[in-house]
Amino acid sequence: QKEVEQDPGPLSVPEGAIVSLNCTYSNSAFQYFMWYRQYSRKGPELLMYTYSSGNKEDGRFTAQVDKSSKYISLFIRDSQPSDSATYLCAMAPSSGNTPLVFGKGTRLSVIA
Amino acid sequence: DTAVSQTPKYLVTQMGNDKSIKCEQNLGHDTMYWYKQDSKKFLKIMFSYNNKELIINETVPNRFSPKSPDKAHLNLHINSLELGDSAVYFCASSRQGTDIQYFGAGTRLSVL
Repeated sequence: QKEVEQDPGPLSVPEGAIVSLNCTYSNSAFQYFMWYRQYSRKGPELLMYTYSSGNKEDGRFTAQVDKSSKYISLFIRDSQPSDSATYLCAMAPSSGNTPLVFGKGTRLSVIA
Repeated sequence: DTAVSQTPKYLVTQMGNDKSIKCEQNLGHDTMYWYKQDSKKFLKIMFSYNNKELIINETVPNRFSPKSPDKAHLNLHINSLELGDSAVYFCASSRQGTDIQYFGAGTRLSVL
């Protein structure tokens, strides 16, 4: 079993839909959870960062972490064509100087 | 001003050649990383440097040698290039004590 599992998609939704992206993980030591967005032929850019369990909201984006289930989610409300990208979950066991363990990424297309 | 910049953006070369990729960050970060993203978009850590000191060296062939002349620069030299080295190589940096990593735009390496 890979450390971090993420459905690669592709996921195609109409503009305005609510999008749900998910990752599961096996390492219970993970404490820090991130979502990166990667546009085609670009580097990953940080979207959301959460520590331990709970929710975090930033505009149209909400990140959820359920450590008891080893499950994290990213919700995108009112999705826009500009949200079309690959979304990568990433996590680390401790803060600082540790490599991130990435999921394979989910490719999202928002159709106008 | 680009925070993490890599050169070159594209690199096409023959098998057996030696090539280098350069990375510079102007964020004042202490830690820099090299990741490899293969054709399936899986992003995996290769090396990590903190204040010019190698702290993470994942299972990577000896043909790959990172060098950090100062904490703002981390270069990657690859000897005797092989077909399997074809991938996108990303440089990233982070501030001491945090997991938030900022990525460059990537170097697309094609070995023919």
